[in-house]
Amino acid sequence: GIQVEQSPPDLILQEGANSTLRCNFSDSVNNLQWFHQNPWGQLINLFYIPSGTKQNGRLSATTVATERYSLLYISSSQTTDSGVYFCAVPRTGGFKTIFGAGTRLFVKA
Amino acid sequence: DGGITQSPKYLFRKEGQNVTLSCEQNLNHDAMYWYRQDPGQGLRLIYYSQIVNDFQKGDIAEGYSVSREKKESFPLTVTSAQKNPTAFYLCASSIPPGDEQFFGPGTRLTVL
Repeated sequence: GIQVEQSPPDLILQEGANSTLRCNFSDSVNNLQWFHQNPWGQLINLFYIPSGTKQNGRLSATTVATERYSLLYISSSQTTDSGVYFCAVPRTGGFKTIFGAGTRLFVKA
Repeated sequence: DGGITQSPKYLFRKEGQNVTLSCEQNLNHDAMYWYRQDPGQGLRLIYYSQIVNDFQKGDIAEGYSVSREKKESFPLTVTSAQKNPTAFYLCASSIPPGDEQFFGPGTRLTVL
């Protein structure tokens, strides 16, 4: 089945720094989601991005479906950006979604 | 305000007891999902439902059961057959199955 790998697994930033999180997937996909899980466990939708580039404030995402990866950019990081970032893709031919293991981000004040 | 609600937020269970976790959505979404998350791990699919009165097993369905009698409700029962039920449980929904998913706030289950 499709494999999803996220990197780096852990990331520590100083407030104000920029970062790039990566999601690689092993098969073609027709959609991809990025989520932020806050310290209380809530999963917050960041982007639904099967292909192309989207931006929302300080965050942007790019998916290159033909090369099977997606990138999440965080600019001018804030302490509230701390948490775990997940990417998720549907399994081939079905409705089951597979999540990556996540990138754990800590932003220091 | 549309959204997904889960209750209770925290749940404590004695070994051998069945417990039911509630998930309700008022987004008029057709599909609903249950995931389990263990500490420091990603999400794993327990069950999903594409339409009322239909549901399918996910990757870790053993020891769990669900029902989908109404479009807006998808309760999950954790049975005594689930050997390691302590985890964080998340419910999600999407308009067409397999499309963009939205999540509830989760239920933390602890077995005492």
